[in-house]
Amino acid sequence: KQEVTQIPAALSVPEGENLVLNCSFTDSAIYNLQWFRQDPGKGLTSLLLIQSSQREQTSGRLNASLDKSSGRSTLYIAASQPGDSATYLCAPQMNRDDKIIFGKGTRLHILP
Amino acid sequence: DAMVIQNPRYQVTQFGKPVTLSCSQTLNHNVMYWYQQKSSQAPKLLFHYYDKDFNNEADTPDNFQSRRPNTSFCFLDIRSPGLGDAAMYLCATSRRARVSNEKLFFGSGTQLSVL
Repeated sequence: KQEVTQIPAALSVPEGENLVLNCSFTDSAIYNLQWFRQDPGKGLTSLLLIQSSQREQTSGRLNASLDKSSGRSTLYIAASQPGDSATYLCAPQMNRDDKIIFGKGTRLHILP
Repeated sequence: DAMVIQNPRYQVTQFGKPVTLSCSQTLNHNVMYWYQQKSSQAPKLLFHYYDKDFNNEADTPDNFQSRRPNTSFCFLDIRSPGLGDAAMYLCATSRRARVSNEKLFFGSGTQLSVL
């Protein structure tokens, strides 16, 4: 059974800093891994999708990497802004049954 | 804009009173998912559809049922809600199954309260 762990559970950093969020998963038989953003009381928005054959994806100030063999992914946020405050969740999609399994997320707070 | 729409945004029901949550999509996606998310927890998959092919998770209680009458609509029925069913219910879609580059699109969720 796929287990997804995100570290840290919560993070507060001053505006302007670069930061890294970590995700680990136990089963490497995945199609892809997505990083999502969730604002309080809202649904999830897909930020980046990395296919299993890829090593990284970039979108603006966001860069996600994937090391499938070691079961790890990171989300790098450059020059953080208060608007980046949200919960970030990672979710690998399994090969065998298409299920998308979520971690609990990292609650990020950017201090103005 | 094409989107995933969940109604209602907030739903209050009484203990044991059946409730239905709805999800519609204008994306014409084949796959639809229902997730349950409790406070500070990971979204938990309840079931999903490939077109009309229904896939139930082994640990989804029998109390939870789903219907997908057509491509655009999907419903979550909770037959006898208990206090432990209070949660955010999230509907999501993806265009195709069994491919590596399809993103998941979520609705805004329905926050269910059980009194």
